[in-house]
Amino acid sequence: GAGVSQSPSNKVTEKGKDVELRCDPISGHTALYWYRQSLGQGLEFLIYFQGNSAPDKSGLPSDRFSAERTGGSVSTLTIQRTQQEDSAVYLCASSPSDRPPRETQYFGPGTRLLVL
Amino acid sequence: AQTVTQSQPEMSVQEAETVTLSCTYDTSESDYYLFWYKQPPSRQMILVIRQEAYKQQNATENRFSVNFQKAAKSFSLKISDSQLGDAAMYFCAYRRKAGNQFYFGTGTSLTVIP
Repeated sequence: GAGVSQSPSNKVTEKGKDVELRCDPISGHTALYWYRQSLGQGLEFLIYFQGNSAPDKSGLPSDRFSAERTGGSVSTLTIQRTQQEDSAVYLCASSPSDRPPRETQYFGPGTRLLVL
Repeated sequence: AQTVTQSQPEMSVQEAETVTLSCTYDTSESDYYLFWYKQPPSRQMILVIRQEAYKQQNATENRFSVNFQKAAKSFSLKISDSQLGDAAMYFCAYRRKAGNQFYFGTGTSLTVIP
C-alpha cells in the first residue's frame, strides 16, 4: 500500500515569499504530524492533527507558520514571508491512532526547503 | 518536560560486528513508548523498533534489539551482524502514553566500515 507522500521533494524560494508544503498521509490514518529538521539537528515538532479535533499548534515557531488538514486527510503547511532560518527539511508523519500500532508514526520522505 | 538525549553524535562499526547506540530520556511518567528510527540518506524515516514502558521484556526485531533500563531511563539500541545498509542516522524518540507529541533526540550517525 502507499506510504506517506510529500510534495514538492525540494523547494527553493526567495526570502519574503510564501510557500506551501503538502502531505498525503496513509489512507485511514487519523493522526498527522509535521516536523522540522534543521541541518544536523533532531526533529522539531510543529503541529499535530487528530481527526476532527482542534490541532495541537504548540510547536509552531511563529505566526508565519500555519497548517490545515482538509477532510481529515491531506495537510498543507504554509510558511509566509519566508526567512533564511526557515531552511530545513519538513517531515510529515501519520499514524493510525485508533487501532494498533496506534502510537507508531510513519514518515514521508520530506520536503527540503531552501530560502535564498 | 520530556527530553531525549543521544550522547554519541557519530559511531562506526566494522561490517558483521555489533554496535550499541545510547539513548537516555527524562520523564516523570510511568507509562510511555520508546522508539528507534533510522534515517538513511534518502531522508525517509523508518521505524526500527518500539518498546512499551510497562513491558519489562526488551523488544527485538531480527538483528536489532534494545536494552531498556526503566529505572535508569536508558534505552540503547544494539545492532548485531552490522550490514552496509545499516549506515544511517538513528534517532531515539519518546512518547507519553496519553500524549500527542513525540520527542526526538539529536541523532547518532552510524558508519559501517566494509
